[in-house]
Amino acid sequence: EADIYQTPRYLVIGTGKKITLECSQTMGHDKMYWYQQDPGMELHLIHYSYGVNSTEKGDLSSESTVSRIRTEHFPLTLESARPSHTSQYLCASSGDGGSYGYTFGSGTRLTVV
Amino acid sequence: SQQGEEDPQALSIQEGENATMNCSYKTSINNLQWYRQNSGRGLVHLILIRSNEREKHSGRLRVTLDTSKKSSSLLITASRAADTASYFCATDAGRRYSTLTFGKGTMLLVSP
Repeated sequence: EADIYQTPRYLVIGTGKKITLECSQTMGHDKMYWYQQDPGMELHLIHYSYGVNSTEKGDLSSESTVSRIRTEHFPLTLESARPSHTSQYLCASSGDGGSYGYTFGSGTRLTVV
Repeated sequence: SQQGEEDPQALSIQEGENATMNCSYKTSINNLQWYRQNSGRGLVHLILIRSNEREKHSGRLRVTLDTSKKSSSLLITASRAADTASYFCATDAGRRYSTLTFGKGTMLLVSP
């Protein structure tokens, strides 16, 4: 079944640790996105990609980085986690610039202590 | 910059009642989409309406779009407890490299 997967679902980690949030999709979508969302708040775009070897920063300044070496895989990395990074991170993909809607993963809820 | 703004921020109704949520936006769009989010999970795409459409239906959902007022509404008819969720509108400017911009969402609580 075509879908988009995020791991881990929950992560509690200490300050200063390096972490990578995984996102994979099986739909062959060229476009992928990372959004950050605090509880009950709006989504903020932090990174996006239009294809392999293409990555762009979004509207919200973020200390994270992304890579797109394979079409199906779009991991997000924090080199040194801080408590301010505590949030939910949502990965999404789309087939044609959003014209047919985004498919979202279930999210990773990150807590940095 | 914030594009979509939902209204109301929260809505509480009884099962069987209709729920109406509104979305306003600021710039021209190619299409507007509505999403549902259950309790901190990922968003689920509900319906897309293009800028040249005025109304669209999908099951118990009815979406309207008024481009002259830069606004849209989502109507859920005969609501159920399972409709309890946050609902977000998102706008697509339609440029080749544009991305969706989401509003702040409306929290809907449907009580049995």
